[in-house]
Amino acid sequence: NAGVTQTPKFRVLKTGQSMTLLCAQDMNHEYMYWYRQDPGMGLRLIHYSVGEGTTAKGEVPDGYNVSRLKKQNFLLGLESAAPSQTSVYFCASSLAGVETQYFGPGTRLLVL
Amino acid sequence: GQNIDQPTEMTATEGAIVQINCTYQTSGFNGLFWYQQHAGEAPTFLSYNVLDGLEEKGRFSSFLSRSKGYSYLLLKELQMKDSASYLCAVRPLASNYQLIWGAGTKLIIKP
Repeated sequence: NAGVTQTPKFRVLKTGQSMTLLCAQDMNHEYMYWYRQDPGMGLRLIHYSVGEGTTAKGEVPDGYNVSRLKKQNFLLGLESAAPSQTSVYFCASSLAGVETQYFGPGTRLLVL
Repeated sequence: GQNIDQPTEMTATEGAIVQINCTYQTSGFNGLFWYQQHAGEAPTFLSYNVLDGLEEKGRFSSFLSRSKGYSYLLLKELQMKDSASYLCAVRPLASNYQLIWGAGTKLIIKP
């Protein structure tokens, strides 16, 4: 099993450009999450999903959109990137909401 | 508000024992996680405490006191590979998905 995978691993964007981050899991987990991690701060939840076709806002959702068309995939979109979105983005999944979360390797995004 | 406090950085010597503390103030409590994160990598699960007391798992142990809003991670027989950040995360009572994360403690192991 690959667990949780993320693509791309690293990306540089110019302000105003758009992109999509892909997360895939092969553990048949219901819950999936997108976090951002910034220096000196804890992981912050951007959006999450409790199952195929459902998404919900987390702590810091502004500037991001998500979709979960298939159970194994969770996409994070940036419609118009801003320098404040420079961060490391982690996807995670869990069997249920109260279960342990398993993380992907992360995507490092730099917005110039 | 909800808050988790951990020391920013700690240094310890190879072969020694180190204790990393975590204090929390959340809207109720429904469990506390410890994760390990090596530089440039993903967080990986270490332990989960929901009841008071000590949980031992090999060289790593985790302790919880719900009445004090306090937990610690104890690492014994430190190895160089233990150099990493250690993240504390709390699940508030009313949530079935949300975790409140601390900023992490960077542990540096010296020979």
